[in-house]
Amino acid sequence: GNSVTQMEGPVTLSEEAFLTINCTYTATGYPSLFWYVQYPGEGLQLLLKATKADDKGSNKGFEATYRKETTSFHLEKGSVQVSDSAVYFCALSDPGRGSTLGRLYFGRGTQLTVWP
Amino acid sequence: EPEVTQTPSHQVTQMGQEVILRCVPISNHLYFYWYRQILGQKVEFLVSFYNNEISEKSEIFDDQFSVERPDGSNFTLKIRSTKLEDSAMYFCASRSPDSGNTIYFGEGSWLTVV
Repeated sequence: GNSVTQMEGPVTLSEEAFLTINCTYTATGYPSLFWYVQYPGEGLQLLLKATKADDKGSNKGFEATYRKETTSFHLEKGSVQVSDSAVYFCALSDPGRGSTLGRLYFGRGTQLTVWP
Repeated sequence: EPEVTQTPSHQVTQMGQEVILRCVPISNHLYFYWYRQILGQKVEFLVSFYNNEISEKSEIFDDQFSVERPDGSNFTLKIRSTKLEDSAMYFCASRSPDSGNTIYFGEGSWLTVV
């Protein structure tokens, strides 16, 4: 079946530190992979995505590379800011057909806190 | 930027009562979803809806749940007789045929059953 395993949090970093949040997946087909972010009091926002192996998704200084050989999609940022404090969710999209396409399988989420 | 909107943002209800959570998806989207997140747990898929019918539902989505698109703009989730374990954040989401497999989420409705 489809599942996502995500690094347990919370993660606490100082401003300008390097961030890695690990994510590995299990899928029956060839999924698309996503990182969503949830800022305090807000909904889930798409941060970045990758739709095939070796694709790199990037946005707001965050990056993640779709690694089929290690079934991973780790999130990285070279220098975090206080404003990056949020919960980060790794997810995969079931490569279903027709209207079932788009069902997402989420990891548990990783709380990131960045201190000034 | 277009967004998915949800109401109410927070609702407290007594066990056994019916609850309706409302969503207005992005206007040109055709695929609609409900997800939920129990505090401290994963975001879980409940149901997907396309062409005025349910296209897929999870094992969580039992007979006490129903969805409806009554007027071409709203998309509702009804819980007929709420239980304590229904307390969760409920997220509505939508997708366009043109957005590939990118799903856009609302801010969530926090339901507390007491």
